[in-house]
Amino acid sequence: DAGVIQSPRHEVTEMGQEVTLRCKPISGHDYLFWYRQTMMRGLELLIYFNNNVPIDDSGMPEDRFSAKMPNASFSTLKIQPSEPRDSAVYFCASRAGGAYNSPLHFGNGTRLTVT
Amino acid sequence: SQQGEEDPQALSIQEGENATMNCSYKTSINNLQWYRQNSGRGLVHLILIRSNEREKHSGRLRVTLDTSKKSSSLLITASRAADTASYFCATANLNNDMRFGAGTRLTVKP
Repeated sequence: DAGVIQSPRHEVTEMGQEVTLRCKPISGHDYLFWYRQTMMRGLELLIYFNNNVPIDDSGMPEDRFSAKMPNASFSTLKIQPSEPRDSAVYFCASRAGGAYNSPLHFGNGTRLTVT
Repeated sequence: SQQGEEDPQALSIQEGENATMNCSYKTSINNLQWYRQNSGRGLVHLILIRSNEREKHSGRLRVTLDTSKKSSSLLITASRAADTASYFCATANLNNDMRFGAGTRLTVKP
């Protein structure tokens, strides 16, 4: 298996622009998580899905952030409009089954820089 | 919001020494997991310990869990330069989400 695939690896954009981050989970995994990592705040859980349905989006910082999972093999995290404080590394992770016995598998992240 | 707190924030040791990292958390959990992150990469799962377990081993890794104190420790024995990385604990909570601590940055000097 190729693992969790995220694109792009790096994104540099200007304040006010729309940014779309993409994630392909491991085939057969029914949970998908989006995290944001910064030096100041560490790894923050933004939102997670089960069977393509958003379960908890309480970590999404503002209405500027939205996430979708139109099918089991694809998810997007969109920021519109972007701001410099959104600069961070965004990780997608997937998992097979519930939390009791299953680890997360992470992608290599998207480093977002908003100037 | 984060769940756990690791300490120390940074740890520097010589190759061959043991490294111990601690994690505390706040809520009831299904299990606790430890992950490793090399610079510029995603996190990689190391070991999982369930809430009804007290100790678990995997190779040079030893994890303990004390649910009464809401704390866990990760011991890496006979460390190697290749163990240099950041280590995170994560709690698998009863609602199936997973939250991470702030991490410990481990440096192993050759």
